[in-house]
Amino acid sequence: GQQLNQSPQSMFIQEGEDVSMNCTSSSIFNTWLWYKQDPGEGPVLLIALYKAGELTSNGRLTAQFGITRKDSFLNISASIPSDVGIYFCAGQSAGGTSYGKLTFGQGTILTVHP
Amino acid sequence: DSGVTQTPKHLITATGQRVTLRCSPRSGDLSVYWYQQSLDQGLQFLIQYYNGEERAKGNILERFSAQQFPDLHSELNLSSLELGDSALYFCASSAGGQGWSYNEQFFGPGTRLTVL
Repeated sequence: GQQLNQSPQSMFIQEGEDVSMNCTSSSIFNTWLWYKQDPGEGPVLLIALYKAGELTSNGRLTAQFGITRKDSFLNISASIPSDVGIYFCAGQSAGGTSYGKLTFGQGTILTVHP
Repeated sequence: DSGVTQTPKHLITATGQRVTLRCSPRSGDLSVYWYQQSLDQGLQFLIQYYNGEERAKGNILERFSAQQFPDLHSELNLSSLELGDSALYFCASSAGGQGWSYNEQFFGPGTRLTVL
């Protein structure tokens, strides 16, 4: 089955620093999504990417859909304490029996020290 | 608030029992997805319904079943529960239909199932 490798597994940074995390896949995806999950809550959609090479921003967040369609990265600039949480990448295929299904990475645990 | 609601928030039950988890999608969304999140397996797709019909199946056990009703709410039924079924169960919804943005999935707050 499809596998997503997300790295790093965890990050400890100082407030104000920039953060970068990425996902690579053994398969091609048609859509890449980035989610943030707080403890005890459901994942919250941060950014959605639809085209290979696409670069999309949402405030301090920037994400890119890799040219090969097998990878994506997320950058967070000027981190603040409320950025703490678990960040997940997710790939989505279309068509066939996997239509709509999201395949998730293992998550990156982000800790921000004030 | 994503607009997706799930009940109950917590559920504690015993092995061998059966439980039903309920999900109401965002207003207007036709697709409902169920996911299981556990420490060892991460977030795993279980099943998808679109406008009342099963659309896609993931690693869903035969002891688990789901359905989507005419009012578009969905239920996930878990039977013959085992200790290993303890996990967070999330429902997500999307608009469905043509066009990639219709497939953006919004997650509910989850149901934490503990099997003792």
